[in-house]
Amino acid sequence: GDSVTQMEGPVTLSEEAFLTINCTYTATGYPSLFWYVQYPGEGLQLLLKATKADDKGSNKGFEATYRKETTSFHLEKGSVQVSDSAVYFCALTHGSSYKLIFGSGTRLLVRP
Amino acid sequence: DTAVSQTPKYLVTQMGNDKSIKCEQNLGHDTMYWYKQDSKKFLKIMFSYNNKELIINETVPNRFSPKSPDKAHLNLHINSLELGDSAVYFCASSQRQSYEAFFGQGTRLTVV
Repeated sequence: GDSVTQMEGPVTLSEEAFLTINCTYTATGYPSLFWYVQYPGEGLQLLLKATKADDKGSNKGFEATYRKETTSFHLEKGSVQVSDSAVYFCALTHGSSYKLIFGSGTRLLVRP
Repeated sequence: DTAVSQTPKYLVTQMGNDKSIKCEQNLGHDTMYWYKQDSKKFLKIMFSYNNKELIINETVPNRFSPKSPDKAHLNLHINSLELGDSAVYFCASSQRQSYEAFFGQGTRLTVV
């Protein structure tokens, strides 16, 4: 079945450092891919998405490119802020599926 | 104006009790979901409803009974609560399957 694998956290960075959180997936066909963010004590918010190969999703300085050849959707940000500290989830939904399949989440801690 | 709202936000109850969680969305979406997030932050689909019809029941024990009185509401009733039911339960909605989902704030259920 479909699955999503994320790098384990926590990831600890200093403010203004470069961020990469790896995400790879297993799915038939062409799933839609998402990054969601969960701030402490809150629900999930959609951060960005890509619906076809080579699409780049971007939002709030974060970017991720849908790479079909490597089945990856890595999240990047050039300069992180303390306020980016949160748990980041990679997810996919496939075809006519009525569900999101999530990775295990990666906690990011940004220190001043 | 909250898009997806859940009540209550916190629920502490004893083993064996029956409890309900309510969810409402004001986005006009036709699909609603319940997800469970365990203590390790792992998120898994429980149920999906489309236009009040059950689409997915992801091998959830039948102590859990969702009810969708209309497209804007999806409630979750849990009978005979067990310690292992302790988790955060998220309601979500989307317009059609495969579209981005909007999540509620979550209900933290603690069974003692």
